[in-house]
Amino acid sequence: GEDVEQSLFLSVREGDSSVINCTYTDSSSTYLYWYKQEPGAGLQLLTYIFSNMDMKQDQRLTVLLNKKDKHLSLRIADTQTGDSAIYFCAENPQGGKLIFGQGTELSVKP
Amino acid sequence: EAGVAQSPRYKIIEKRQSVAFWCNPISGHATLYWYQQILGQGPKLLIQFQNNGVVDDSQLPKDRFSAERLKGVDSTLKIQPAKLEDSAVYLCASSFYAAEQFFGPGTRLTVL
Repeated sequence: GEDVEQSLFLSVREGDSSVINCTYTDSSSTYLYWYKQEPGAGLQLLTYIFSNMDMKQDQRLTVLLNKKDKHLSLRIADTQTGDSAIYFCAENPQGGKLIFGQGTELSVKP
Repeated sequence: EAGVAQSPRYKIIEKRQSVAFWCNPISGHATLYWYQQILGQGPKLLIQFQNNGVVDDSQLPKDRFSAERLKGVDSTLKIQPAKLEDSAVYLCASSFYAAEQFFGPGTRLTVL
């Protein structure tokens, strides 16, 4: 089946690292994604990882993929108040449509 | 490069009325998607177009929803008649490579 699970809330202090976790079910997904959604806005593609990779780093963002456990994480280093948003994990089991989790609301406190 | 454009940004209608949303994808993107995002949930695909052909409409409630992409560029999504449970944000996305979908700002629909 197609299902993506995320924890709903995460609160961190400015300057700390944030780690947002996600589990997915479909091992046929070619890519796994992280999108960011700010209030009243659409979804911004943050990063994505090819399914045969374990890790991808892009500036303050690090994505880790454990394909055996179907676990994906997003680490944001030196979290800033501007990082406050909802973060969505997504898989694409059929190479086209995206299956999204419910989203994790990240709150960054000064 | 201009992003995905959508209009209107907000719409309020009474139940049983009809409504239409418009999307203009990023230039050159052959694939266009419509997603429905209910408050507190992640987006769910309604329909996917490749040029002007439908690739996937398995989750589209066809008794009330319709979509078209006549010239393989712009697309419209229509709801007729609307129900209370159709209140949501309707997101359009487009892609050139299947790996990268870019989303528009969405249309927030409220059905009273």
